[in-house]
Amino acid sequence: ATQMTQSPSSLSASVGDRVTITCRASQGIRNDLGWYQQRPGKAPKLLIYAASSLQSGVPSRFSGSGFGTDFTLTISSLQPEDFATYYCLQDNNYPRTFGQGTKVDIK
Amino acid sequence: QVQLVQSGSELKKPGASVKVSCKTSGYTFTNNAMNWVRQAPGQGLEWMGWINTNTGNPTYVQGFTGRFVFSLDTSVTTAYLQISSLKAEDTAVYYCARDGKAGAIFDYWGQGTLVTVSS
Repeated sequence: ATQMTQSPSSLSASVGDRVTITCRASQGIRNDLGWYQQRPGKAPKLLIYAASSLQSGVPSRFSGSGFGTDFTLTISSLQPEDFATYYCLQDNNYPRTFGQGTKVDIK
Repeated sequence: QVQLVQSGSELKKPGASVKVSCKTSGYTFTNNAMNWVRQAPGQGLEWMGWINTNTGNPTYVQGFTGRFVFSLDTSVTTAYLQISSLKAEDTAVYYCARDGKAGAIFDYWGQGTLVTVSS
């Protein structure tokens, strides 16, 4: 199975900060990667698909990039509602696998 | 609008069975595959597998074979997850999640169903 490794596991940032989360695949996955936000007690929500495509309705402060094995999710200006855990998911190799998550705390 | 609405929380004893439902609306049910995802308490997300909503053919990820069954009732646009011979380690929130188009995997999710297994 393709292992997805996110870093960092957690971070604290201030409102307005630029935040970057990375996801590394153990083998090449082209651009078959999504990013999800999960607020406490809620279902995950798709933010980015195909590594860099913004899902409809998602604020433009979220962006994704990468191809192959290395991917990033960037929040350009952190907002209070962005307090959440973020997961990457690869869909290139069976089975689909998630990263372990990155928890973002608001300072 | 697309909605996936799951059944409510369940408390079961070890050895019992549970059936979780995922009622869909707002789109053509058979146009999109349905997935199931598990999240144990305080843990990350784990893909359990998926079901082809056209054929009803399920695919289970290793670790979710035998006691786990995905099924459909297309007449009521609902997907089901049944777990038999429940164990304490099955305690988790279970999510249904739809596959979207053009690579938008898991584009809509149910709200989750907490299954607690305890004697």
